[in-house]
Amino acid sequence: TQLLEQSPQFLSIQEGENLTVYCNSSSVFSSLQWYRQEPGEGPVLLVTVVTGGEVKKLKRLTFQFGDARKDSSLHITAAQPGDTGLYLCAGLGGSNYKLTFGKGTLLTVNP
Amino acid sequence: KAGVTQTPRYLIKTRGQQVTLSCSPISGHRSVSWYQQTPGQGLQFLFEYFSETQRNKGNFPGRFSGRQFSNSRSEMNVSTLELGDSALYLCASRRGQGYTDTQYFGPGTRLTVL
Repeated sequence: TQLLEQSPQFLSIQEGENLTVYCNSSSVFSSLQWYRQEPGEGPVLLVTVVTGGEVKKLKRLTFQFGDARKDSSLHITAAQPGDTGLYLCAGLGGSNYKLTFGKGTLLTVNP
Repeated sequence: KAGVTQTPRYLIKTRGQQVTLSCSPISGHRSVSWYQQTPGQGLQFLFEYFSETQRNKGNFPGRFSGRQFSNSRSEMNVSTLELGDSALYLCASRRGQGYTDTQYFGPGTRLTVL
């Protein structure tokens, strides 16, 4: 069974601060996705990383896939209240190509 | 283009009852996946349908079942409800069979079992 561990589980910061969220596994994934979920809504895909060592930027968000394709990180620069939400990582892999989700990091950015 | 829609949005049932949830994918999308989200376990994969055929299944008991219709709409059914089935049930659709295709989620159905 492939598992994804996300840390921290909860994060409360002030507007303007930087933060990093981690997603770790002992398994290798073909690709890894990051989603953001807001209350009352389903998750929305932010990015997919495929190649080991890959770095993708989406405005103030920087995503990195580990060299061994077992871990990933999400870094947010100068966080804003609009960044508040549940951040989920999800790995695609295994013989049956199921998408395995981490339990998420609940981020609160206070104005 | 309309997004993924799920009905109903909220549902309250009692133990032992059964429930049917509905999902309408984005127009042109043929793959529909279902997930259960709980605070303790997070998002867990239930099953995936493509062109009316179940293509993949998660580790859930047989009380959880689903189907897909020729118009790609999907339903999932849970029989003999248990308290632990209380969760947000999410449906997601994508255009084709490719697992790297972007998956779009609906807003979910919040099921409460009393």
